[in-house]
Amino acid sequence: EIVLTQSPATLSLSPGERATLSCRASQSLSGYLAWYQQKPGQAPRLLIYDASNRATGIPARFSGSGSGTDFTLTISSLEPEDFAVYYCQLRSNWPPMYTFGQGTKLEIK
Amino acid sequence: QVQLVQSGAEVKKPGSSVKVSCKASGGSFSSYAINWVRQAPGQGLEWMGGIIPIFGPANYAQKFQDRVTITADESTSTAYMELSSLRSDDTAVYYCARGIIAVAGFDYWGQGTLVTVSS
Repeated sequence: EIVLTQSPATLSLSPGERATLSCRASQSLSGYLAWYQQKPGQAPRLLIYDASNRATGIPARFSGSGSGTDFTLTISSLEPEDFAVYYCQLRSNWPPMYTFGQGTKLEIK
Repeated sequence: QVQLVQSGAEVKKPGSSVKVSCKASGGSFSSYAINWVRQAPGQGLEWMGGIIPIFGPANYAQKFQDRVTITADESTSTAYMELSSLRSDDTAVYYCARGIIAVAGFDYWGQGTLVTVSS
């Protein structure tokens, strides 16, 4: 079973700063990795699919990168609405099975 | 506009079962996956299983293999998740979410259904 480890657990930054969130897999992945944003009381929102593709309507300040075991979500310049919890998610090839990381809380410094 | 609308909150006794529905509209129901994800209070996201109606049987996370049943009714574009032998630690918000077969990512989510297990 592949385990996803997100770091840091909490990231404290100010609006306008750059955020770099990490997701590390215990085994090499095929690139089937997604990132989500979740705000309190809301369902998660898909940000990035297949490691580096922005989902529909997602601002360009969000970008995803990585391959193998190390993946990164970057928010180039934080807006006030970006402070939330972020999850990475992997998908196995077939049949599709999913695992989530434990989340990174992005909080206002 | 794709929408996933889930059934309402439930309160259940330990040892009982719960069945949550997820009605899809605005898209092609059969050719997408419907997945179920739960979130215990203050905790992270946990994938339970999913079904792609055109491919038939559901796939389940090993943790839930013995207790969860996911089905889909193509005639009503509705998916169901039934969890049996409920325990207090099954108290959570249960989400359905649409998955695209060829990519990794759930692009549409239901509003969530709170299931509370309490004696």
